[in-house]
Formats: sequence, C-alpha cells, structure tokens
Amino acid sequence: DQQVKQNSPSLSVQEGRISILNCDYTNSMFDYFLWYKKYPAEGPTFLISISSIKDKNEDGRFTVFLNKSAKHLSLHIVPSQPGDSAVYFCAATNTGNQFYFGTGTSLTVIP
Amino acid sequence: KAGVTQTPRYLIKTRGQQVTLSCSPISGHRSVSWYQQTPGQGLQFLFEYFSETQRNKGNFPGRFSGRQFSNSRSEMNVSTLELGDSALYLCASSTQGSREKLFFGSGTQLSVL
Repeated sequence: DQQVKQNSPSLSVQEGRISILNCDYTNSMFDYFLWYKKYPAEGPTFLISISSIKDKNEDGRFTVFLNKSAKHLSLHIVPSQPGDSAVYFCAATNTGNQFYFGTGTSLTVIP
Repeated sequence: KAGVTQTPRYLIKTRGQQVTLSCSPISGHRSVSWYQQTPGQGLQFLFEYFSETQRNKGNFPGRFSGRQFSNSRSEMNVSTLELGDSALYLCASSTQGSREKLFFGSGTQLSVL
C-alpha cells in the first residue's frame, strides 16, 4: 500500500523557469515531510523538510508547501538550473524513524 | 566528517544463496535504517536500529534481518535469495532517528541470478 505517491514519473523544465514537483499522501498521521534528490549511482541527499505545524518552508531556491487538508506536498525550485536534473523523492513519517517514500519524479532541466 | 559507507558496492548472487551487506554510519550517529529501492517502487523501509535495538521493521519477510553493533555499524542479511530481491539496498544514518534528515550511503546493488 503506497502511502506516499508521486504521480508524475518525469518532468521537463527550461532553465531559469520554475519546477514544481508534487506529492500526495494518504496517512493523516504523518507529521514530518522531507524532499530528497538522487543522482545516478549515488544515495539520496536531503533537500528540505517541513513539519506539519507549518505550511511553508524555504531554503534558497527551494520551497516546500504543505496542504494538510488536501494531504498534498509540493516542492518549488526557482530558478531551475541544469544541475537540478535528478530524481526527486518525497518522504513522510509519523513515527520519526520509519519513512515512507514516494516513487520519485525525474526532473530534467533543459539549458 | 566521513559519510555513510556501504560495502560492497555491487554483489552478484544466485537464487538460494544468502548475502550480508555492511553499513558504517556517520561518526556520532546512533540510528541506522535500511531501505530497498526497486524501479517503480521507490524506497521501501526495511528496518531501523538505535543503540543495537531494532525499533521498527517494515513489511518484509523474515528472510530479511539485520543487526547493529556497539559502534553503531550495521549489517543486513538476506537468506535464501529470490530473483525479486534484486535491488539497490540503501543504508541511512541519523543522530537520534527521530524526525530528522537521513544521510544515505551510495548503496549496494544486489543482483540475484
């Protein structure tokens, strides 16, 4: 049972434009959410996180939005750069030490 | 500070064999968790250890087991390998394993023939 879903397997964006990656979850008990970026042959690296008590968190070019009523999470990257091309995973937890990951969205930023 | 180290990087085994994967967490990190990544399935949680105790286990058969040593290093064992066990196995560490970001290793790519 996939509790965290990323329904877009891939996304292409022009360099300099905004990239929006989406994530939906089914478990209303999730209270902490994260985004990871993964390059081929490497492990995922942490990007940004958000607690359920917030609805927005920013870190440089990356902003995560949380809509608890819709059980929806999104990651905005502005402006997008070619180096952002990677697979992005969202993850959620309600236990703190067991994370549920989405299936990933492959982002391609076109120069 | 050295990152999370996983060995070996690649493994090829045949059905019915067993395999042991190793993970050395970042120094000072006491929580180690394991994930299986397969195409189309994302990362699936296997188990998490903290101070040598398994605190949480995912929905995997008993053929998958793990342990953690007093120096926080962890091993994962898969017995009686099946073709479907072919996957990238990722280890991640964190300081306390409580709502904090995970630091991942590069993974062990296991192929079962």
